[in-house]
Amino acid sequence: QVQLQQWGAGLVKPSETLSVTCGVFGGSLTGYYWTWIRQAPGKGLEWIGEINYGGNTKYNPSLKSRVSISVDRAQNQFSLNLTSVTAADTAVYFCARISRSVPYTWGQGTLVVVSS
Amino acid sequence: DIQMTQSPSSLSASVGDRVTITCRASQGFADALAWYQQKGGNAPRRLIYAASTLQTGVPSRFSGSGSGTEFTLTISDLQPEDFATYYCLQHFDYPWTFGQGTKVEVK
Repeated sequence: QVQLQQWGAGLVKPSETLSVTCGVFGGSLTGYYWTWIRQAPGKGLEWIGEINYGGNTKYNPSLKSRVSISVDRAQNQFSLNLTSVTAADTAVYFCARISRSVPYTWGQGTLVVVSS
Repeated sequence: DIQMTQSPSSLSASVGDRVTITCRASQGFADALAWYQQKGGNAPRRLIYAASTLQTGVPSRFSGSGSGTEFTLTISDLQPEDFATYYCLQHFDYPWTFGQGTKVEVK
């Protein structure tokens, strides 16, 4: 059974770049789409974007100029980078595998706080 | 963007109650909708996909219905473990958008 494990810096300074990586264990990147979703403290869920094994991406226009998602086939993982962060980017960031067209298997979440 | 308006934002209910949560979409689509349950800060759990298909392993007291601009999640016999926050997600068009969430609390 596939499991997703996330890691990344928990504290990022304003204007710097947030990076979170999602490792895929017990399965392969091949044949699936992968997504990032975030949740600000006490708020709802926000879709950030998705990527497939071939590296094709879709991003939320609200973040499009700052976000990039990439895959590392050799390491069987995918990553989120968000540039020029502000306090508004403080959130728990979740990775997920898309199955039946929507997120099904999720990572544990990574809290990223933007603060100086 | 497709706006998903979820209601109510919260509700109080008792064990055994029937609970209904609604998501209204700003534009219609057939069945590109899923429902999730989230407890605390844990990752969401998928309950329903394709508007009405019950995820394997999810109790049959959960059901989804609807198409077009109105979708509904029903919990027919609320159990103690069902007190949580519920979200709808549309994936008909990019960007995918979630409803604002419904917190189901103990009455």
